Amino acid sequence: DTEVTQTPKHLVMGMTNKKSLKCEQHMGHRAMYWYKQKAKKPPELMFVYSYEKLSINESVPSRFSPECPNSSLLNLHLHALQPEDSALYLCASSPRLVVDTQYFGPGTRLTVL
Amino acid sequence: GQQLNQSPQSMFIQEGEDVSMNCTSSSIFNTWLWYKQDPGEGPVLLIALYKAGELTSNGRLTAQFGITRKDSFLNISASIPSDVGIYFCAGQPPMNYGGSQGNLIFGKGTKLSVKP
Repeated sequence: DTEVTQTPKHLVMGMTNKKSLKCEQHMGHRAMYWYKQKAKKPPELMFVYSYEKLSINESVPSRFSPECPNSSLLNLHLHALQPEDSALYLCASSPRLVVDTQYFGPGTRLTVL
Repeated sequence: GQQLNQSPQSMFIQEGEDVSMNCTSSSIFNTWLWYKQDPGEGPVLLIALYKAGELTSNGRLTAQFGITRKDSFLNISASIPSDVGIYFCAGQPPMNYGGSQGNLIFGKGTKLSVKP
């Protein structure tokens, strides 16, 4: 089973709202990732967690706040977003952090009004 | 930073045709991955390559890790309509070549469409 699940599938929010994206995997993977993808572009790395600790933060604005409550779950908390933050947000996981294959979830399509 | 040049950017296929795309870089990579993405969905892993010279097949798909570690190709034989989508190559550079743990470098994608 190589499944990463993400909820919700679609999210529409105003600039003053607070919302969260959720990601879950039950493959025993110890590295989890958040990516942002704009239309017709490749995914851009936002955050990396390794063994539930934040390993990489690719200079992402503080209005995006990641959280890894346990080894299976990854959240992305959203607050005071801008319309340009509208994108497909992808979660991925891999067995370990170094030289390992990343498996992606189906994504959350976020629209900020 | 390291970049991957993926070509072609787009191509049109007729059912039954063979398809070839590739990724090249001026720097070496430890791992090459090939993904397919349908509109509004996440990338789906097709093939993973871990050793220089490695040739791996997955059904009608074949991919190779270049012997110089700077390139990879993906071939699709006897294409079918459901092959339509965007194909991304992704590579993980070595730590001492500007890579950081877990960081994948993505190509810009090859869009496969059906010939009208």
